[in-house]
Amino acid sequence: NAGVTQTPKFQVLKTGQSMTLQCAQDMNHEYMSWYRQDPGMGLRLIHYSVGAGITDQGEVPNGYNVSRSTTEDFPLRLLSAAPSQTSVYFCASSPGYGYTFGSGTRLTVV
Amino acid sequence: KQEVTQIPAALSVPEGENLVLNCSFTDSAIYNLQWFRQDPGKGLTSLLLIQSSQREQTSGRLNASLDKSSGRSTLYIAASQPGDSATYLCAVLYGNKLVFGAGTILRVKS
Repeated sequence: NAGVTQTPKFQVLKTGQSMTLQCAQDMNHEYMSWYRQDPGMGLRLIHYSVGAGITDQGEVPNGYNVSRSTTEDFPLRLLSAAPSQTSVYFCASSPGYGYTFGSGTRLTVV
Repeated sequence: KQEVTQIPAALSVPEGENLVLNCSFTDSAIYNLQWFRQDPGKGLTSLLLIQSSQREQTSGRLNASLDKSSGRSTLYIAASQPGDSATYLCAVLYGNKLVFGAGTILRVKS
């Protein structure tokens, strides 16, 4: 039982490049979310999903896309990276009560 | 707007002290409240989950209370140890969205 797995752990992108942050969970949780953590800002919700095929926007969705084709996977896509997207990204899942977080992806956009 | 505030922002105590971390939230229509621990450069580890119908939860030296009517939760740490040094995050679940406080940075000196 691996819990919530995020890949990669570290990534450096150039401005304008695209990439996908991967998130997978093996606990059969319906709810999955993406957060970004910035110094002094705490964790802010980017997008979330309440089940396969259902996604919605959080507090800071601009510049990010998500999809949920399976219960297990919830990838986060950056279509055209900007320096403002330099952050630590966390994926989380929940059965409807209590969240489990992945270990994070540290992204730097130069 | 649903906001979560944590006081103090930082705390430094000698080993062995009992301490209290505070969390307040503006909207009392919560599903549950979860306390997390985050070590530098690491992910979030769940400490305690309190359902909206509960008043408190205990795990080892940790005790968390919840007062929905006043919009407050406290995390009590007994007999603090240097290994307790970390950032403690309070998160409130509103529907499908988990809203975080900015955290309390705790340092326990040996």
